[in-house]
Amino acid sequence: AQTVTQSQPEMSVQEAETVTLSCTYDTSESDYYLFWYKQPPSRQMILVIRQEAYKQQNATENRFSVNFQKAAKSFSLKISDSQLGDAAMYFCAYMDYSGAGSYQLTFGKGTKLSVIP
Amino acid sequence: NAGVMQNPRHLVRRRGQEARLRCSPMKGHSHVYWYRQLPEEGLKFMVYLQKENIIDESGMPKERFSAEFPKEGPSILRIQQVVRGDSAAYFCASSQNRGRSYEQYFGPGTRLTVT
Repeated sequence: AQTVTQSQPEMSVQEAETVTLSCTYDTSESDYYLFWYKQPPSRQMILVIRQEAYKQQNATENRFSVNFQKAAKSFSLKISDSQLGDAAMYFCAYMDYSGAGSYQLTFGKGTKLSVIP
Repeated sequence: NAGVMQNPRHLVRRRGQEARLRCSPMKGHSHVYWYRQLPEEGLKFMVYLQKENIIDESGMPKERFSAEFPKEGPSILRIQQVVRGDSAAYFCASSQNRGRSYEQYFGPGTRLTVT
């Protein structure tokens, strides 16, 4: 079974600075998707960015970018110019065909990001 | 275009009662996933349904939990005889089709508290 590990339970960053959240995963598949989701205090799950494993180029969405290292099975999220609204739980997630009929998401335990004014 | 709707947002049940959680997918979406988030944990997959069919229930507890997605109306996650350990946030997500390239859009979740 696939597993997703986020080794940093909590992180903090000064406003306007850059922070990197770590994620590693375990899979024997070669084709899959990876995601970062943000969960603010409202608990709404918001998709931040996604990466297709067959693409070598790292995904970028405005201030958010990833460092995808397929051989190392590493998928870190970099947030540049951090803003107060970035404070939230961040979850790394993996998607592949489950074999039982679905493309379910497997989530890590999350990293709580605090932004210091 | 309304997003994924879940109701109720908060549900309190006493031990032994039944809990019914509803999920209306986004317009045009016919695939629904249910996930459970225990305190201080990430979301864990429970079940995947298409209209009138359960496709994958590998994450569902074997007893007391059931799910349906009828031809008309919302998807329902039903928990019979709730226990304290069922207290969690339950999220539903919908997608347009099945496959890696189809994004799952999440609802706001239902927070179930069992007293």
